[in-house]
Amino acid sequence: AQSVAQPEDQVNVAEGNPLTVKCTYSVSGNPYLFWYVQYPNRGLQFLLKYITGDNLVKGSYGFEAEFNKSQTSFHLKKPSALVSDSALYFCAVRDGYDKIIFGKGTRLHILP
Amino acid sequence: NAGVTQTPKFQVLKTGQSMTLQCAQDMNHEYMSWYRQDPGMGLRLIHYSVGAGITDQGEVPNGYNVSRSTTEDFPLRLLSAAPSQTSVYFCASSYPGTGGLNTEAFFGQGTRLTVV
Repeated sequence: AQSVAQPEDQVNVAEGNPLTVKCTYSVSGNPYLFWYVQYPNRGLQFLLKYITGDNLVKGSYGFEAEFNKSQTSFHLKKPSALVSDSALYFCAVRDGYDKIIFGKGTRLHILP
Repeated sequence: NAGVTQTPKFQVLKTGQSMTLQCAQDMNHEYMSWYRQDPGMGLRLIHYSVGAGITDQGEVPNGYNVSRSTTEDFPLRLLSAAPSQTSVYFCASSYPGTGGLNTEAFFGQGTRLTVV
């Protein structure tokens, strides 16, 4: 079965600094990977996805993610963090045509 | 487009009561799913559907029933609520896309359920 792991429960970054939220995956076959963000008391919002092609994927709100096949990783990055980026971030992977499997989430705190 | 709409937003139940969480989408998506979100557990799949009349169990199906009579609606039924079902419930929908695997899911705003 497909799975993703987010090794950090929480990440703290100073405003203006680059941020990275880590994700590793385990799949059989080609990986179809996603990042979502959840703001307080809200549903999940799609940020970006890797299907095939370029290893650097650009998404919403200035976020990007780097796909690394040899390290089975799909880390979320942003060059300069904003306080408004503080939220809960989920990495996810498609498991067949009908299911998406989520990691446990990483809480990102951007310190002013 | 309203996207994925969940009702109610909040609900308090007594142990043993039953209720239905409603989910509707207006994007003509074939795939719909129910997840529960608990602290430190991420999102866990309860039930999912690949089209009207077709449903299947996810990771944590016990205590929940679903049906899919139309493309638009995918209600989740709690048969006899238990405190362990206190959680935030999310409904999601997606579409096959090219090749079937490259599409993201769209989520509702969630239902916060407390069972006392």
